[in-house]
Formats: sequence, structure tokens, C-alpha cells
Amino acid sequence: EAGVTQFPSHSVIEKGQTVTLRCDPISGHDNLYWYRRVMGKEIKFLLHFVKESKQDESGMPNNRFLAERTGGTYSTLKVQPAELEDSGVYFCASSQERDRGRFTEAFFGQGTRLTVV
Amino acid sequence: QQQVKQSPQSLIVQKGGISIINCAYENTAFDYFPWYQQFPGKGPALLIAIRPDVSEKKEGRFTISFNKSAKQFSLHIMDSQPGDSATYFCAASKQAAGNKLTFGGGTRVLVKP
Repeated sequence: EAGVTQFPSHSVIEKGQTVTLRCDPISGHDNLYWYRRVMGKEIKFLLHFVKESKQDESGMPNNRFLAERTGGTYSTLKVQPAELEDSGVYFCASSQERDRGRFTEAFFGQGTRLTVV
Repeated sequence: QQQVKQSPQSLIVQKGGISIINCAYENTAFDYFPWYQQFPGKGPALLIAIRPDVSEKKEGRFTISFNKSAKQFSLHIMDSQPGDSATYFCAASKQAAGNKLTFGGGTRVLVKP
């Protein structure tokens, strides 16, 4: 079974440009999460999708970040325009809700390392 | 404000030794405490997890100790091996709130042969 897949693995862009990150969750996982780790800091939650709906986007830093999950399958995270402080590793994870309030483990992708110069 | 504090930031241990990583949390609503292991170039992978109704959980060489009253939990790696060299993250979540994970800052563990 394929795990969580993220594209691209690395991206280097100039300040002001646009970048789109993609995440393909494990098939059948309704719950999809985006996280970010800025250099030397903890991994921080960005947002949570349940199928195509945004369940919780409390961690999104500002309106330059837009996440979508059309059709409830893969998700994209667009940063427009990118700023220097957006550099970091962006992780996607997916999990399944077994029963109400109990989830399977969250499986993480390998991450996208974004460098804004 | 960091809700989950992890220490130490880095750790060097000899092969066969014990690695101990500690975490403390603030939010008493957390009810799920996983530990993740991450190798360079890979994403975090679940190592072991505990719920607050037990004080200890052991899986092979890895043990979580949980102290609910102190709001602390720790990971012990017994008989540490060079292959255990990785970054370890503690995390916490409130499952009813969608399993959103709050992570500690991470600990880089180096096991010397």
C-alpha cells in the first residue's frame, strides 16, 4: 500500500513568487493534515481537512497560504506571494477516524523542503 | 507559547546505553501522546503512543512513562543501537478535536558504536 506522497521534495523560489505543494494521502483516509517545521523549531499544525472540508485551519499563518482538497483526495497548499519566513519543511499527514474521536495513527509524507531566497 | 516542551535538544549515547527524552505538556485536555521517529530525508513515523489511562507502555526496546499529575511523559530507549540515531518528537493531541498533533521541539539522538 502506498504511503503519503508529497511533491516536490524540494523547491527553491524567489521572494514574491508562487509555489504549490501537493500531498497525496493514503487511499481511503478522510483526514488530511498539513504541518510545517521552520528551521530549529517544532513541527507546527497548519490545517486539517475531513474529506474536502476544512475542519480546522487555526494554524494557517496568514492569507498568503491557501489549501484545497477538491474531491476529498489529494490536497494542495499554495503560498502566494512567498516570503523569506515561509522557508521550512512542509509535511502532510493522513489518518482515518475509527470511531467517534478515535483515530488511526497519523502517517506522514517525506515532506517538501521549501527555500525562499 | 509552546504547549509541549521537549528536552534535551540533543543527546549522545554509547551503543548499549539508555536514551531518555522528556516532555511536559500544558493542556490537560490532551488524551493521546505519541512519539515519532524521523530519519534524515524522511517524514516522522510513529514509534509508540500512550493514552493517559496507563502509566507505562513498552514495545521492544522503547518504553513510554506517563505521569498525569505532573503532566509529563518520557521515552526510554534501552540498549540503544546506532540505527536508533534519529530525531525524536513527542506530541500530544485531543482526539475528539480531530487528532491535531502538538509537537515538542525534537531531540537529535546520536548513538555511538
